[in-house]
Amino acid sequence: NAGVTQTPKFRVLKTGQSMTLLCAQDMNHEYMYWYRQDPGMGLRLIHYSVGEGTTAKGEVPDGYNVSRLKKQNFLLGLESAAPSQTSVYFCASSYPQRGEGGYTFGSGTRLTVV
Amino acid sequence: DAKTTQPPSMDCAEGRAANLPCNHSTISGNEYVYWYRQIHSQGPQYIIHGLKNNETNEMASLIITEDRKSSTLILPHATLRDTAVYYCIVRDSGAGSYQLTFGKGTKLSVIP
Repeated sequence: NAGVTQTPKFRVLKTGQSMTLLCAQDMNHEYMYWYRQDPGMGLRLIHYSVGEGTTAKGEVPDGYNVSRLKKQNFLLGLESAAPSQTSVYFCASSYPQRGEGGYTFGSGTRLTVV
Repeated sequence: DAKTTQPPSMDCAEGRAANLPCNHSTISGNEYVYWYRQIHSQGPQYIIHGLKNNETNEMASLIITEDRKSSTLILPHATLRDTAVYYCIVRDSGAGSYQLTFGKGTKLSVIP
């Protein structure tokens, strides 16, 4: 099993450009999440989804949009990139059942906006 | 979700047990204790979780005090590959509980 796969792994954008980060999971998880991590800081939740066709805002949603058209995929879009969005982006997925094990994270996308 | 307090850093000799403490004095009855680690900017990795009882898996053991106000993650024989930031997180794991809040964790350095 691949688990959670993120593409691309690295990207450099110019200010104002747009891009989409793709997250794919093969574990049939209901919940999916997008986090960002800035140097020396913990992860912060951007957006999440509790099922196909549903999305919701997390802690730091401004400047990002998401879509979950298929259960296995969760897309994160930057419509007009800004230098403040330079970060490492992590996707994760999980089951919702009580007592179930933890999140499975992808290996990250390192984005630099110049 | 309840807040947690962890020491910012710890050292451990290779081959010895690493004991990482976590305080969560405001934990409520339906909240679980989760441990994750992050090795050098990789994605966080789930280690173990528990509610009341001590838990053990192939990676680690989790000891939760009887009053549930603190816990300890034990890596029985630390290796250099265990050098990472370890996060203790308290949350309700039921349906509808979806946000995992990461603090700054404990940076564990395993020393040869």
